[in-house]
This record gives sequence, C-alpha cells and structure tokens, in this order.
Amino acid sequence: DQQVKQNSPSLSVQEGRISILNCDYTNSMFDYFLWYKKYPAEGPTFLISISSIKDKNEDGRFTVFLNKSAKHLSLHIVPSQPGDSAVYFCAAKPTGGGNKLTFGTGTQLKVEL
Amino acid sequence: DAGVIQSPRHEVTEMGQEVTLRCKPISGHNSLFWYRQTMMRGLELLIYFNNNVPIDDSGMPEDRFSAKMPNASFSTLKIQPSEPRDSAVYFCASSPGTGLETQYFGPGTRLLVL
Repeated sequence: DQQVKQNSPSLSVQEGRISILNCDYTNSMFDYFLWYKKYPAEGPTFLISISSIKDKNEDGRFTVFLNKSAKHLSLHIVPSQPGDSAVYFCAAKPTGGGNKLTFGTGTQLKVEL
Repeated sequence: DAGVIQSPRHEVTEMGQEVTLRCKPISGHNSLFWYRQTMMRGLELLIYFNNNVPIDDSGMPEDRFSAKMPNASFSTLKIQPSEPRDSAVYFCASSPGTGLETQYFGPGTRLLVL
C-alpha cells in the first residue's frame, strides 16, 4: 500500500514556465515532508522540506505548499530551467518515527527549451 | 568529504547466486539506510541502522535479504539466493542523527539478476 503517491509519472514544461509537481499521502501521522531530486546514475539529493506546522516553504525558485486537510503537497519551480530536468521524489516522515522516510514513486520532469 | 560510497556500481549475476552490496557512510553519520528503487514502487526503505544497530527491518522483502553493519564505517546488504525480481537499483544513505537531518544518498548499485 503506497502511503505516499505521486500520480504523475512524468511532466513536460517549457523553459521559463512554472513546473508543478504533486504528491498525496494517506498517513495522517506524517508531520514532515521532503522533496528529493535525482539525476540519472546518481543518488537522490535533498531539495526542500516543510513541517506540518507550516503551509508554505520557499527557497529561491523552489516553493513547497502543504494542504494538510487534503493530505496533499506540491512543489513549484519558477522559472523552470533545463537543469531542473530530473526525477523528483516526495517523501514523508511520521511523528515519532525517527528519521525513517517513506518515498513516493517519483515524477520525471523534463524542461524543454 | 567523499560522500556515501557504494560498491559495486553495477552487478550482473545469475539467478541463485549470492550478491553482496557494500556501503561506506559519511564519516560521523550515525544513521544508515538501505533503499531499493523500482519503477513500480519507487524508493522503498529496506532497513535502517542507528549507531550500527538495526532499528527497522520491516522493509526487507524476505529471508533471502540480510544486512549488517559491523562498524560505523561499513555496511553490507546481501541477497542469497538472488532472483530476477531482485533486479533494481539499491541505494545506501546516511544521516548525521535520528531527527530531521537530511539523508545523503550514495550513487547506487544497479543490480541485474538473469
């Protein structure tokens, strides 16, 4: 049973436009959420995170929004750049769960010129 | 720092053979994680260690999988006997502590079982 779901396996966006990657979760015990980015032949790298006490966290071109009532989060990339082309994984951590993360299946983002 | 080191980077083996994957975490990190990535299930946590002690192995698929961490700088994931459905990319990650610290991933081992 996938507790963290990324329903869009791929997304294609033009350079300069906004990329929106979505993630849904089912476990109400999750209280901390992260996005990781993965390039081919490399391991995932941390991108941005958000605690459940917030509904928005911004870091440069990257913003994560959290809607707790809908159990939904999204990652916005503005403006999108060709170097942003990668697989993006959403991950979640439960309250009191140490540092155990549950990951989604990932979304392949392609930013086209 | 060299980051998390995994070996081998690629492994091709025949069904029934034993496979051993190796990981060296970042020096000073207290937590180590083994993940498996497949298209269908994404990144699945197999097992994680804190201070060399296994904390949660509920993600280990079955008895054919075992993991050890004999010291703070080395861990192995063993599959015996291997099966074609074990083909995946296996990642090792480490983090400084047990809280909200970021996990740092190695480059992965791509395993193909024929």
